Amino acid sequence: DVKVTQSSRYLVKRTGEKVFLECVQDMDHENMFWYRQDPGLGLRLIYFSYDVKMKEKGDIPEGYSVSREKKERFSLILESASTNQTSMYLCASSLFGQGRLNEQYFGPGTRLTVT
Amino acid sequence: GQNIDQPTEMTATEGAIVQINCTYQTSGFNGLFWYQQHAGEAPTFLSYNVLDGLEEKGRFSSFLSRSKGYSYLLLKELQMKDSASYLCARRDNYGQNFVFGPGTRLSVLP
Repeated sequence: DVKVTQSSRYLVKRTGEKVFLECVQDMDHENMFWYRQDPGLGLRLIYFSYDVKMKEKGDIPEGYSVSREKKERFSLILESASTNQTSMYLCASSLFGQGRLNEQYFGPGTRLTVT
Repeated sequence: GQNIDQPTEMTATEGAIVQINCTYQTSGFNGLFWYQQHAGEAPTFLSYNVLDGLEEKGRFSSFLSRSKGYSYLLLKELQMKDSASYLCARRDNYGQNFVFGPGTRLSVLP
């Protein structure tokens, strides 16, 4: 059974803290993605990765960085958390390819609150 | 740009049929996905269209018109458990990532 897991369901951090969100997939997928989801704005892509040690900026990368040292793990890093980064963060993975193969599988999400 | 538009909210009655529309920019288009997301849960795959026409899958169907940049998700025999957000996502020729629409929150009433 396909599985994407995220390290925490709920997280509360203080402004200025460094925050790590971890995502692991067990499907041997090449592609991994980090999104944030906010009411009325939908899913917005922060960063994605096609392969180990590879990363590409999405639509809203400012204030974030990522790390992909192993194929199954993709980490999102908030270097200095700010209140406007309070959001639901969703990780996803997919096979590299075309068409239906590109279906993205999502983790359960991490609701981050920055105070 | 890659703007994708969907209605923000819809309401329908149990047992009825509802159509959720999605419009997108046609340039570079290479596939459209629909996802369902229940409150507090992860999105899950519903359907995929890359060619014009209707794809049917039980109570759910999805339609695509590439020339019009238009898709819809049709839900028949609505059940209370269909209350969820429905996300339209466009894939283009030049990448592996999607652009998601804002989502349509559907409420099914008894």
